[in-house]
Amino acid sequence: DAGVIQSPRHEVTEMGQEVTLRCKPISGHDYLFWYRQTMMRGLELLIYFNNNVPIDDSGMPEDRFSAKMPNASFSTLKIQPSEPRDSAVYFCASSSLAHEQFFGPGTRLTVL
Amino acid sequence: AQSVTQLDSHVSVSEGTPVLLRCNYSSSYSPSLFWYVQHPNKGLQLLLKYTSAATLVKGINGFEAEFKKSETSFHLTKPSAHMSDAAEYFCVVSGGLSGSARQLTFGSGTQLTVLP
Repeated sequence: DAGVIQSPRHEVTEMGQEVTLRCKPISGHDYLFWYRQTMMRGLELLIYFNNNVPIDDSGMPEDRFSAKMPNASFSTLKIQPSEPRDSAVYFCASSSLAHEQFFGPGTRLTVL
Repeated sequence: AQSVTQLDSHVSVSEGTPVLLRCNYSSSYSPSLFWYVQHPNKGLQLLLKYTSAATLVKGINGFEAEFKKSETSFHLTKPSAHMSDAAEYFCVVSGGLSGSARQLTFGSGTQLTVLP
């Protein structure tokens, strides 16, 4: 298995632009998680899905952030409009019945 | 609610000497506990997990951790450090603020430096 796949690996954009991050979970996993990692706040859970349905989005910082999971093999995290304080590494993770989560390599987002 | 405290933000050891990374947890029920490692510019990799079976858990790359309920601790150890062990280590407990067992609560991380 290729593991969790994220794209792009690096994204540099200007303030105000829309940013879309993509994730392909491990086949057969029915949970998908989006995290944000910064030096100041560490790892934060933004949202997670079970069987493509959002279960808890209380970690989403504000309305500029949205996430979708249209099918079992694809999810997006969108920021519109982006701001410099959104600069971070965004991780996607997936899991099955066991509690351990498998993480993707992350997307490093820089908003200028 | 669950929480986890990593007692050291930085640990420095010499190659070939033992490693001890300390973690204390708080949980309202029997938790699942994990250690993850993150190498520079990489994603997080699972080192080991405890899920109420044996209290001494062996993981990859020679690491192990012991679950001590009386001390609410889950310290990570390795008998002999290798240069490739230099990374950031996260202690993690299952269950987030909403209490869902699916959510992971991460510690703040311990940066391990291995000196030649």
